[in-house]
Amino acid sequence: QKEVEQNSGPLSVPEGAIASLNCTYSDRGSQSFFWYRQYSGKSPELIMSIYSNGDKEDGRFTAQLNKASQYVSLLIRDSQPSDSATYLCAVIVGKSTFGDGTTLTVKP
Amino acid sequence: GAVVSQHPSRVICKSGTSVKIECRSLDFQATTMFWYRQFPKKSLMLMATSNEGSKATYEQGVEKDKFLINHASLTLSTLTVTSAHPEDSSFYICSASGWPTGELFFGEGSRLTVL
Repeated sequence: QKEVEQNSGPLSVPEGAIASLNCTYSDRGSQSFFWYRQYSGKSPELIMSIYSNGDKEDGRFTAQLNKASQYVSLLIRDSQPSDSATYLCAVIVGKSTFGDGTTLTVKP
Repeated sequence: GAVVSQHPSRVICKSGTSVKIECRSLDFQATTMFWYRQFPKKSLMLMATSNEGSKATYEQGVEKDKFLINHASLTLSTLTVTSAHPEDSSFYICSASGWPTGELFFGEGSRLTVL
């Protein structure tokens, strides 16, 4: 079992829809969780961090964490074509461990 | 967020030469930096953890003598790809860890092409 698993994708949604990205992790000791966005040919950029159970909202982005289920998700509301990218889930236990990423395409 | 600068962004070299990539944290002191490698349409692969003032910790399967890492100061880590070969062509990315939350701030990445 991988330490961090993400929906395999690719995920395609129409413009204006909600995109839902999911991530599960294996280490119950994990304390910090991050979502990164990576455009093709570019390095990842941090878009959300979450440390406690529940929801955290930042603009159109909402991160959700459920430590009991070892699950973290990212919702993107009112998806835009500019949101088309690969989204990486990262979990920290000592060091950062990344999922393989989910590629999102938002169609105009 | 914190700023991490990586240089050069692109480098093309002949097989057998060595290439040095620099990673600088511009607005904070990074005792720990990380080096990743990424192949097209693949996820990040951690190569090594660079610790200021001590030897780097390499991930399993990464050749220490091939990928030399030096972290001489709190703001600079370097990766030298020695005797580069075409199979070393890849996108190399550095990152620095924020404290105390541990989020990673990435450099812009360096695309290496070995002819």
